[in-house]
Amino acid sequence: DGGITQSPKYLFRKEGQNVTLSCEQNLNHDAMYWYRQDPGQGLRLIYYSQIVNDFQKGDIAEGYSVSREKKESFPLTVTSAQKNPTAFYLCASGQGVDEQFFGPGTRLTVL
Amino acid sequence: SQQGEEDPQALSIQEGENATMNCSYKTSINNLQWYRQNSGRGLVHLILIRSNEREKHSGRLRVTLDTSKKSSSLLITASRAADTASYFCATDWGLNKLVFGAGTILRVKS
Repeated sequence: DGGITQSPKYLFRKEGQNVTLSCEQNLNHDAMYWYRQDPGQGLRLIYYSQIVNDFQKGDIAEGYSVSREKKESFPLTVTSAQKNPTAFYLCASGQGVDEQFFGPGTRLTVL
Repeated sequence: SQQGEEDPQALSIQEGENATMNCSYKTSINNLQWYRQNSGRGLVHLILIRSNEREKHSGRLRVTLDTSKKSSSLLITASRAADTASYFCATDWGLNKLVFGAGTILRVKS
């Protein structure tokens, strides 16, 4: 997990709340990614950013938002529009797509 | 679904045996990568094989790629209990992002 951090490790959200997951990297990577992982399943891409101040929707962007104001940071907001947000969220970074480096993940639970 | 498919979904073997996992995908790729995930953790990159390569080795790992069949296999030789994890293939379709498969859960019994 070295070089890329996520916080918090566990997060609890009440119905109707927005919550923000933090992702920071010190690897000087241009590209950053957010994935969602449901139990027993693979990773699905939420949003990705190849450069500061630019980002693209992934396969399941509805109910999520991101920003990329700094190269090191790519926070993900889970909005109240996301009806089933309980999942494990993984952030990754990379220089190109030949290798992605993952953070330790944030487990989000809706109460 | 855009995901590749992996089989088996789960594999249980004895320590010292070899483990083989397979990945199939749907369209032409630039490269295919394998990642490992220990329970509740982030993924770790294991190996990358490019579309013009057929086989690649890294330590106890051997990866093959058959672009005509759109499939890849990951072989772990002489498995250890510490190899217990989920293994995912990921494909680069040239869209500046990876597409991950659903994974194979490997359990190595000591």
